[in-house]
Amino acid sequence: EAAVTQSPRNKVAVTGGKVTLSCNQTNNHNNMYWYRQDTGHGLRLIHYSYGAGSTEKGDIPDGYKASRPSQENFSLILELATPSQTSVYFCASGAGTGGPNYAEQFFGPGTRLTVL
Amino acid sequence: AQSVTQPDARVTVSEGASLQLRCKYSYSATPYLFWYVQYPRQGLQLLLKYYSGDPVVQGVNSFEAEFSKSNSSFHLQKASVHWSDSAVYFCALSGTSGGNYKPTFGKGTSLVVHP
Repeated sequence: EAAVTQSPRNKVAVTGGKVTLSCNQTNNHNNMYWYRQDTGHGLRLIHYSYGAGSTEKGDIPDGYKASRPSQENFSLILELATPSQTSVYFCASGAGTGGPNYAEQFFGPGTRLTVL
Repeated sequence: AQSVTQPDARVTVSEGASLQLRCKYSYSATPYLFWYVQYPRQGLQLLLKYYSGDPVVQGVNSFEAEFSKSNSSFHLQKASVHWSDSAVYFCALSGTSGGNYKPTFGKGTSLVVHP
């Protein structure tokens, strides 16, 4: 069974609309992350979380909000979607506890978002 | 600020040849270092990781990487590549001190293996 799942897998949105991308993990990990992947930029961190109720800004948080209502779920919200947010979005989880394995991440399959 | 640089956007090799994918990092101490692989239309998967100790680490599918503190590098190597190794490879680091455990990824290197 896949431990990190994302929904939807594909999404077409209109400019100015609200988009919510969802991520669920069954690893019982503390940390969760949202990235976007674009040609020439690699993987860039948008938001991350250390546990339920916490969210932290990553390197490119502008235009995005995040929500972590539970250990298992982490959402990325685009309140007013723009064409520049067309991208592939990846969610990941990581143990985040003490010990050397905290930093390893487990990735979901990605969501392809197109904003027209 | 921490950073990861993968100087080669694309590497092309013939099947059976040896491979080195380069990774340079910038961090104030010794970070945790990773190599991930991404096959087409999939998420990233961990190849190998370095936390401390022996600078040469072994990973899945006969990949290995060597950590060099003096060169701030973590290059990925394989003695003999197979066409199925064609994928995008990402080098990444995570901070280890000062409450900063934020991950940073390089831009990736696309590996093309010709049969």
